[in-house]
Amino acid sequence: AQSVTQLGSHVSVSEGALVLLRCNYSSSVPPYLFWYVQYPNQGLQLLLKYTSAATLVKGINGFEAEFKKSETSFHLTKPSAHMSDAAEYFCAVTGTASKLTFGTGTRLQVTL
Amino acid sequence: SQTIHQWPATLVQPVGSPLSLECTVEGTSNPNLYWYRQAAGRGLQLLFYSVGIGQISSEVPQNLSASRPQDRQFILSSKKLLLSDSGFYLCAWSPVPNQPQHFGDGTRLSIL
Repeated sequence: AQSVTQLGSHVSVSEGALVLLRCNYSSSVPPYLFWYVQYPNQGLQLLLKYTSAATLVKGINGFEAEFKKSETSFHLTKPSAHMSDAAEYFCAVTGTASKLTFGTGTRLQVTL
Repeated sequence: SQTIHQWPATLVQPVGSPLSLECTVEGTSNPNLYWYRQAAGRGLQLLFYSVGIGQISSEVPQNLSASRPQDRQFILSSKKLLLSDSGFYLCAWSPVPNQPQHFGDGTRLSIL
């Protein structure tokens, strides 16, 4: 079975500051991990994915995430926040056929 | 390229009325299809998934059902809606298991 824990339901950063959104996973098999972003009243858009290749994964919009097996983590980072990054972010894991397990999401607020 | 269509975008229904939400995918064949519900302030709950025509797996026992009458069509239904069925419903597809899922724009369902 797989599970995902996202620490912090709300994160607030200043524009230009580092963004760090935390995700820890549990999986009984080697995991595939994903980060999605959701803007208000829209579906989810894939930011990046880890599928057992490079542990540092680069995604769209300047985001990246690092897979750390020893810490069972897949934290999302961006060096410099932009106002347009304000959205809800979901971490997800899959290890068995067909199903993704999502975290409860982290709402990112970016202030001036 | 592949696209996913979901409609309607918003729906207001009285308690006890039936429901039919439709999702179609273009540009691919034999996709895995998924229905999720997202309640306010909560993560995504997988409701149903399908790996082929007529093959439906239910994740959560509830007032809803799903059908896949054609390869790229996925329908979410209810015979009698409950207040608790309110939420944001998302359809998604993936080409194969363990690959990223791609989401539609969602349907906002309000039950009065």
